[in-house]
Amino acid sequence: KQEVTQIPAALSVPEGENLVLNCSFTDSAIYNLQWFRQDPGKGLTSLLLIQSSQREQTSGRLNASLDKSSGRSTLYIAASQPGDSATYLCALMDSSYKLIFGSGTRLLVRP
Amino acid sequence: NAGVTQTPKFRVLKTGQSMTLLCAQDMNHEYMYWYRQDPGMGLRLIHYSVGEGTTAKGEVPDGYNVSRLKKQNFLLGLESAAPSQTSVYFCASSFDPYSTGLEETQYFGPGTRLLVL
Repeated sequence: KQEVTQIPAALSVPEGENLVLNCSFTDSAIYNLQWFRQDPGKGLTSLLLIQSSQREQTSGRLNASLDKSSGRSTLYIAASQPGDSATYLCALMDSSYKLIFGSGTRLLVRP
Repeated sequence: NAGVTQTPKFRVLKTGQSMTLLCAQDMNHEYMYWYRQDPGMGLRLIHYSVGEGTTAKGEVPDGYNVSRLKKQNFLLGLESAAPSQTSVYFCASSFDPYSTGLEETQYFGPGTRLLVL
C-alpha cells in the first residue's frame, strides 16, 4: 500500500530564508506528484504538478523536484515571505488514478 | 465561474442524525471526489464519481453514501452520524485523467466542517 510521508510536520523560519519541504513515498509506480497549499479554513490550491517522466517544475519562487527511484520529492521555496505561511501538502496519483496525500507540513514565516 | 462550491460551510449534528452535503462545480468536470481531513492527517478519499450516474468507493467509505444524479453535483450523505465522522469534508473535481494525459489537477472546494456530538 502506498504511503506518503512529509517531514517536518511543522517549520518556523524568519522571513527571507530559503527552505525545503520534504515528501517521501513507498511505491515508485506513480503517474504524477503534486504540491498543494492549504490556508486555514480554506480548500487546497495546486502549486506544482510533476509528471512521472519529469524531474522538476518551477513556478516563481517555488521549485519542486521528483526522484522516483528514491521515492522522494522536495518543494523549495526561495526568499520566503510571511504570505507563504500555510500548510503544504504533497499528493501523488497512484496507478488507479487516485490521489494519495501526505499529512502536510505547517509552515510559519516570521516577519 | 465559481469553481467548486460546498454547502453548508459548518454543521453540528447529534449522534444518529442524518444529513447531506452538497458539492457543485461549474467547470464541466467528469470526475468528482469527496475527501475527509482529520487533524494531523492528510486527506482521505471517501467516494468518487467518474461521470453522471456513477459512484465508486474510496479508502474510507463506511458510513457514507453518495449520488451523482447531475454532472455538476455530487452529494455526500450520512445516514446515521457518529462522533467518528467529526471532520472537515472536502469536495474536488477534475477532468478525466485518462483523456487529459494526467496533466490536470483536482480543484477543491472550501470545505464543510462537521461536528457530531
